Amino acid sequence: KAGVTQTPRYLIKTRGQQVTLSCSPISGHRSVSWYQQTPGQGLQFLFEYFSETQRNKGNFPGRFSGRQFSNSRSEMNVSTLELGDSALYLCASSRGDANSPLHFGNGTRLTVT
Amino acid sequence: DQQVKQNSPSLSVQEGRISILNCDYTNSMFDYFLWYKKYPAEGPTFLISISSIKDKNEDGRFTVFLNKSAKHLSLHIVPSQPGDSAVYFCAASPPGANNLFFGTGTRLTVIP
Repeated sequence: KAGVTQTPRYLIKTRGQQVTLSCSPISGHRSVSWYQQTPGQGLQFLFEYFSETQRNKGNFPGRFSGRQFSNSRSEMNVSTLELGDSALYLCASSRGDANSPLHFGNGTRLTVT
Repeated sequence: DQQVKQNSPSLSVQEGRISILNCDYTNSMFDYFLWYKKYPAEGPTFLISISSIKDKNEDGRFTVFLNKSAKHLSLHIVPSQPGDSAVYFCAASPPGANNLFFGTGTRLTVIP
């Protein structure tokens, strides 16, 4: 069974630009979550999508947004990039019911200069 | 405010011995707990989980213990192998939700 696939693996952007990251979940998984990992803050929850609807949201500004398509694939968008947005962005998929483990992709490393 | 804490940033263990990784949490509403292993340049890999109705769950060399009254969980790896060297994260989830709160990780080094 193929795992969670994230593209691209690496991205370099400049301040003020916007970026879109993509995630393909494990086949059959209907929930996709996004996390940000930084050395200072660790792994932090951004949002979760289930059946094309945002079901849960973390404490991030509105510049961070996402969506999910009917095939469960998801995209995350960050607008007006700031230097502090440099991080590893991880996507995770699961069946979506409570107490089902999240399975992570290898992430997209975003560098903002 | 860090709701899940891993107070030991690193741990070194001899091959063949037991590795014990610890995790504390502050939110008594958490009802599902997980351990992940992470290698450099890869995403976290799910290892083992436990629901709050249990106090122990075992899977091969990995056992997770949950002490709800102390708000503490631990991961035991027996016997430890050099391939276990990685960063280990504990995570917790509130009831009915799918979002995880992660600890800051413990780097385990297993010495051959």
